[in-house]
Amino acid sequence: AQSVTQLDSQVPVFEEAPVELRCNYSSSVSVYLFWYVQYPNQGLQLLLKYLSGSTLVKGINGFEAEFNKSQTSFHLRKPSVHISDTAEYFCAVTRDTGRRALTFGSGTRLQVQP
Amino acid sequence: DTGVSQNPRHKITKRGQNVTFRCDPISEHNRLYWYRQTLGQGPEFLTYFQNEAQLEKSRLLSDRFSAERPKGSFSTLEIQRTEQGDSAMYLCASSLQGRDTQYFGPGTRLTVL
Repeated sequence: AQSVTQLDSQVPVFEEAPVELRCNYSSSVSVYLFWYVQYPNQGLQLLLKYLSGSTLVKGINGFEAEFNKSQTSFHLRKPSVHISDTAEYFCAVTRDTGRRALTFGSGTRLQVQP
Repeated sequence: DTGVSQNPRHKITKRGQNVTFRCDPISEHNRLYWYRQTLGQGPEFLTYFQNEAQLEKSRLLSDRFSAERPKGSFSTLEIQRTEQGDSAMYLCASSLQGRDTQYFGPGTRLTVL
């Protein structure tokens, strides 16, 4: 089984500052990793994913994440945030074969302040 | 590509009543997933279909829950004899077999009084 830990439930940050949202996972098999964003009263939107290859992946809205296998981490970063980035961010993992149901972390609320 | 749609968006019901939700996936997607999300938590997997076959059910899916995808297109999730603990957002997602991205619908928010 897989599990995901998002270490920060809330991250307040000022507009135009950099931000990092932390994600650690646990799995006995190879995995794929995802970051989703959820705006209020909306479904989940995919930000980026790591399947294989380069450990630095770039996504939409200027976000990027780095896969670190030795530390079992997949932290999300953005060099300069906007007010519109205020949302809930979820890290998720799935096995790279067979069952593809996602296992999510509990989420990190990013609050961008002016 | 019209995206994944879910109906209704909101449902308020009294304890003990039955409710049914519908999910319409992206048209060519043959995999369909149901998740449940409670306040302050990430989504939790309930069940998934490949075409019309229900391939896996989570232990979260009690006997009061049943899901169908009769023609491999839309899916329904029924909860019988609802309980207050069933109050949650029910999310549907779809994907194409062999592709790894799941696309989520807007969810159905269930409130059980």
